[in-house]
Amino acid sequence: DAGVTQSPTHLIKTRGQQVTLRCSPISGHKSVSWYQQVLGQGPQFIFQYYEKEERGRGNFPDRFSARQFPNYSSELNVNALLLGDSALYLCASSLFTTDTQYFGPGTRLTVL
Amino acid sequence: EDQVTQSPEALRLQEGESSSLNCSYTVSGLRGLFWYRQDPGKGPEFLFTLYSAGEEKEKERLKATLTKKESFLHITAPKPEDSATYLCAVQAGNNNDMRFGAGTRLTVKP
Repeated sequence: DAGVTQSPTHLIKTRGQQVTLRCSPISGHKSVSWYQQVLGQGPQFIFQYYEKEERGRGNFPDRFSARQFPNYSSELNVNALLLGDSALYLCASSLFTTDTQYFGPGTRLTVL
Repeated sequence: EDQVTQSPEALRLQEGESSSLNCSYTVSGLRGLFWYRQDPGKGPEFLFTLYSAGEEKEKERLKATLTKKESFLHITAPKPEDSATYLCAVQAGNNNDMRFGAGTRLTVKP
């Protein structure tokens, strides 16, 4: 079975631009979570979705938004990019909201 | 506020030299403690989930244990391929997210 997939692998944007990151969960998993990881730190929670509904939100500004589609894939959108948004963005999937989460390879976002 | 602290920040071992990594946590209503391994530039790879104090799990050279305040990841006779950052995370209370520690960067020299 395929694991969690994310696209694109790498992305370079300039300040003020908008970006969309995509995630496909493990087959059969209904919950998707998004995390931001800056160099030298552990991942920080952004959002969790289950059955297309938001089930959790971390301490991130409204520039960050997400959604989940009927096939359980998900998109993370970030508007008005700042230099500080440069990070590895990780998607994780789980069967339900409280199960073990399995991570994808991440999308490396660089904001210039 | 829930807190997860990992120590040491970095650990250098010789091949075959066993050691332990620590994860201490301060949370209300622990629901699960998770260990992940992360190689540079890649996503975390799931290792173990522990749910209650006294629980232990093993996988190859790794063994994870849990008490009411901390968890240990014991590495027996490590090999260079065990070099990675090891992350600890908790789920607690009514929150569905995982709160991570900063990780322990392990280097195993041949």
